[in-house]
Amino acid sequence: SAVISQKPSRDICQRGTSLTIQCQVDSQVTMMFWYRQQPGQSLTLIATANQGSEATYESGFVIDKFPISRPNLTFSTLTVSNMSPEDSSIYLCSVVVGLSTDTQYFGPGTRLTVL
Amino acid sequence: AQTVTQSQPEMSVQEAETVTLSCTYDTSESDYYLFWYKQPPSRQMILVIRQEAYKQQNATENRFSVNFQKAAKSFSLKISDSQLGDAAMYFCACITGGTSYGKLTFGQGTILTVHP
Repeated sequence: SAVISQKPSRDICQRGTSLTIQCQVDSQVTMMFWYRQQPGQSLTLIATANQGSEATYESGFVIDKFPISRPNLTFSTLTVSNMSPEDSSIYLCSVVVGLSTDTQYFGPGTRLTVL
Repeated sequence: AQTVTQSQPEMSVQEAETVTLSCTYDTSESDYYLFWYKQPPSRQMILVIRQEAYKQQNATENRFSVNFQKAAKSFSLKISDSQLGDAAMYFCACITGGTSYGKLTFGQGTILTVHP
């Protein structure tokens, strides 16, 4: 596995503003993903963060709302733009380590509340 | 695309007893993997156990084991000698190859309560 950290761990934001969430891994990883977990719900994949190129977004998620960067093999950011209360969720990054491309390990999550 | 269904929103168990959490899935892929993740109130998603679809032998990790019934597309989790620290939300998940490569699909989750 890998040690994964996320910043911030939680935040309370005003509607209309943007928040950037960071995901840092202690080793180079093959793949990185971003998930959203709405209150009381399961996890939904937002996008795959591709190193050095544009992220691959799932249906229902767009780059203008959730821009993602991945400048290297250990770091990625997710920005939640022009926030509304409906964006209040836990945002989690996950990584795939080494050659075992099927198993994802998760960061501790960022709890976002939008007022 | 794959789907994962957990039909038990909540389960409870007495400490030291055994509990089984149910999960069914559906996928058209022949190459896939199944997982159980645990999410305690700290919200950290913790990998509990992993099963390769091509393996008939059920995976086991200490007190955690699965009953993998491939024909029935069933993947239940058995927790033996339950401990207070096992209390959490448990998610069943599936990942496949092909066009859905890398995409983990989760069930709705089961809240497990452990009574002392």
